This record gives sequence, structure tokens and C-alpha cells, in this order.
Amino acid sequence: EAGVAQSPRYKIIEKRQSVAFWCNPISGHATLYWYQQILGQGPKLLIQFQNNGVVDDSQLPKDRFSAERLKGVDSTLKIQPAKLEDSAVYLCASSLEGALGMEGYTFGSGTRLTVV
Amino acid sequence: KQEVTQIPAALSVPEGENLVLNCSFTDSAIYNLQWFRQDPGKGLTSLLLIQSSQREQTSGRLNASLDKSSGRSTLYIAASQPGDSATYLCAAMWPRRGSTLGRLYFGRGTQLTVWP
Repeated sequence: EAGVAQSPRYKIIEKRQSVAFWCNPISGHATLYWYQQILGQGPKLLIQFQNNGVVDDSQLPKDRFSAERLKGVDSTLKIQPAKLEDSAVYLCASSLEGALGMEGYTFGSGTRLTVV
Repeated sequence: KQEVTQIPAALSVPEGENLVLNCSFTDSAIYNLQWFRQDPGKGLTSLLLIQSSQREQTSGRLNASLDKSSGRSTLYIAASQPGDSATYLCAAMWPRRGSTLGRLYFGRGTQLTVWP
């Protein structure tokens, strides 16, 4: 099966600019996640979608970050305006997410964002 | 508070050695525990998933164990090879209050170097 697709692979922007990332999950996976991984740390959940509804966005900096998942398939994550501390790898993952979290996650290759 | 800790942060071993990576978690009420591999500049690859009712999982030279009562998991790598060099991340899934959907918490990872 095809994996989780993300684009772009790399992005360099100046602070205060805006940027958007795109994710296409594995076909049939109801749950989609966006994680932020700062260098030297483990990934941190930003937002979780179940189909096209938000399950958890408690750690999403909503003053500058936004995400949507139209039609319950593809998703975009946007940062506007970007700050230096947003430099990180942004990972998208998907899972079938049946009851009790029985299924594992599949991660995309990530987008490496550098804010200068 | 749910937290995942990994020790050591880095490990360097000669080829052929058997090695153990350690992971600890704060709350035994997990759904599952997962081990991932991350190569530099890449996304995460799922290695092993242990359900809360299981004690271990094996895949090739990898064996992961789970002891919920002590809040520990170990990843055992037999006969290490230079190609095993990567960062290994442990992640525990806990339930969300009032939901059957779990949330995955990551450790910071162990950076493994296997030299010829």
C-alpha cells in the first residue's frame, strides 16, 4: 500500500512569513495526526483528526497555527506568521484507529522547516 | 502526567554486539507501546507494537518487551550491524478521558551508532 505522503520535503522561510504543509494519509485511514519534532526531541502532537473532525488540538498554538482536513482525507497545516522557534520537522501520520487504539501509526517522511 | 523517558540518550557499540535500549513510562494504564526507528532527515518507521495485554513482540533481530507494572519496556537488538545506526523512539499510547481514541506520547529517543 502507498504510504503517507507529505510535501514539501524542505522549506526555508523568513520569520513572520507564512507557510503551509500538505499531507495525504493512507487510503481508508480515518485518523490523521500532525506532529512537531524539534531537533533532539521526540515528536509532539499538534492536532489529531478523526475523519474531518478535530479530536485533540490542545497543543496547537492557535494564534499562529491552523489545520484542516477537508472531506476527511487530505490535510493542510499552516503557520502564519512563523517564528524562529517553529523551526522543526513536521510529521504527518495516519492510522485506522479502531477501538482502544489497537492499530499502529504510519508516518510520512516529514517536512523540515527552517525559519531564519 | 503521562511521560515517556528513554535511557541512554546515545549509545555507540561495535558491530556484532547485542544491545538493549530502555524506555520507561509514568502510568501503567497504557493501550499499547510502540518502538520506532528514525533515520537522519527521515520520518518514523514502526518497528514493533506491543498491546497492553502482551508481554513481548519479535521481528527478526528485534525483540521488545513490556512490563506494565514497573512501567518499563526494552528493545533488544541482536547481533547489531552498522545499518542499525539510527535514532530509536519509544512511544506509549494512553486513553483520552471520555473517549476510546488514544493519544501517543514519545520519548526523546536513543541515538544508536554501530561501528564496523
